[in-house]
Amino acid sequence: AQSVTQLDSQVPVFEEAPVELRCNYSSSVSVYLFWYVQYPNQGLQLLLKYLSGSTLVESINGFEAEFNKSQTSFHLRKPSVHISDTAEYFCAVSPSGYSTLTFGKGTMLLVSP
Amino acid sequence: DADVTQTPRNRITKTGKRIMLECSQTKGHDRMYWYRQDPGLGLRLIYYSFDVKDINKGEISDGYSVSRQAQAKFSLSLESAIPNQTALYFCATSDSRVVNTEAFFGQGTRLTVV
Repeated sequence: AQSVTQLDSQVPVFEEAPVELRCNYSSSVSVYLFWYVQYPNQGLQLLLKYLSGSTLVESINGFEAEFNKSQTSFHLRKPSVHISDTAEYFCAVSPSGYSTLTFGKGTMLLVSP
Repeated sequence: DADVTQTPRNRITKTGKRIMLECSQTKGHDRMYWYRQDPGLGLRLIYYSFDVKDINKGEISDGYSVSRQAQAKFSLSLESAIPNQTALYFCATSDSRVVNTEAFFGQGTRLTVV
């Protein structure tokens, strides 16, 4: 079985400041890792994913996440946030070769002017 | 038009009533899922189906049933709704032909059981 821990339920930050949303996972098998974003009153959208290869993965809107196998972490970072990044962010894992997702409890990113 | 469509978007129902939430997709994906979202708990898997003849229980299947009527349709039923089934429900799809492709989510159904 897999589990995902998102250490912060809310992260308040000012516009243009850097941010890190933390995610740790536990699994007895190899996993693939995902970050999904949920904007208000919408469904979830994939932000980025790690399947294999380079441990640093990037999204098209400036977010990046680094897979750290020894620390079983997949933290999400952005060097400069915008008001429009305000949303809830979910870290998720799936066993390699399988497709069901186990989600963390989510982190609400609140960006203020 | 949305690729994954859930109906209804909002529903209020009474305790003990039977209710069905529907999901249809135009993505041509073979795999479909139902998740439940509760504040502070994230999303949890209720049921999933890898093809029309395949139904599997997820983490929290008690009190729910599903039907895969066609590759494009996957419905979730609450046989006798109870207040703690008040939640936001999401349908999702994925394509088995792509190794660990992302899941695509519908807009959600907000269900309130009174």
